[in-house]
Amino acid sequence: DTAVSQTPKYLVTQMGNDKSIKCEQNLGHDTMYWYKQDSKKFLKIMFSYNNKELIINETVPNRFSPKSPDKAHLNLHINSLELGDSAVYFCASSPIGTNTEAFFGQGTRLTVV
Amino acid sequence: KNEVEQSPQNLTAQEGEFITINCSYSVGISALHWLQQHPGGGIVSLFMLSSGKKKHGRLIATINIQEKHSSLHITASHPRDSAVYICAVSPGNQFYFGTGTSLTVIP
Repeated sequence: DTAVSQTPKYLVTQMGNDKSIKCEQNLGHDTMYWYKQDSKKFLKIMFSYNNKELIINETVPNRFSPKSPDKAHLNLHINSLELGDSAVYFCASSPIGTNTEAFFGQGTRLTVV
Repeated sequence: KNEVEQSPQNLTAQEGEFITINCSYSVGISALHWLQQHPGGGIVSLFMLSSGKKKHGRLIATINIQEKHSSLHITASHPRDSAVYICAVSPGNQFYFGTGTSLTVIP
């Protein structure tokens, strides 16, 4: 069983569209994350979320929004897609607490054309 | 300036060589992570350290909290070790990432 799964793995869409990437973890973790990896392979955190607190990286445009229907899911919604949104997006999860390992999904390669 | 700096950015080694990748950070942290990203793109967590040293197979990770520095060592390197190795620090519930070290091990 995959611990952290993301769908879709690849997503190609036109500018201006709205899209979602789904993430599910079956590890019972309390905290989930979204990361963006740009074309230079640099990873940056976008959001971290547990059932109490959403922490947003202030550099993330408000066109991006995380939605958590329950503890096991953290979906990423993107409105009005732009060319610069093309990247690989990784979901991850970890147990609550600061000294814990994170488990990553396989990534979603988003291409905006 | 990035909170986490890694060196070298690129590394090519012959099979069997001992490899060291360095990571320096500038923020107070609760833990440091070493991640491995294979050419296929998936990210795997190798180590999480808050002090001292950890060993897993041919991989060894060390951290010096006072000097804000960590090293990842690979003994008897193998072509299957070819990947990008990423250092990340977590001052709480967030991660700051280094730019990664791209390692190629030649048979």
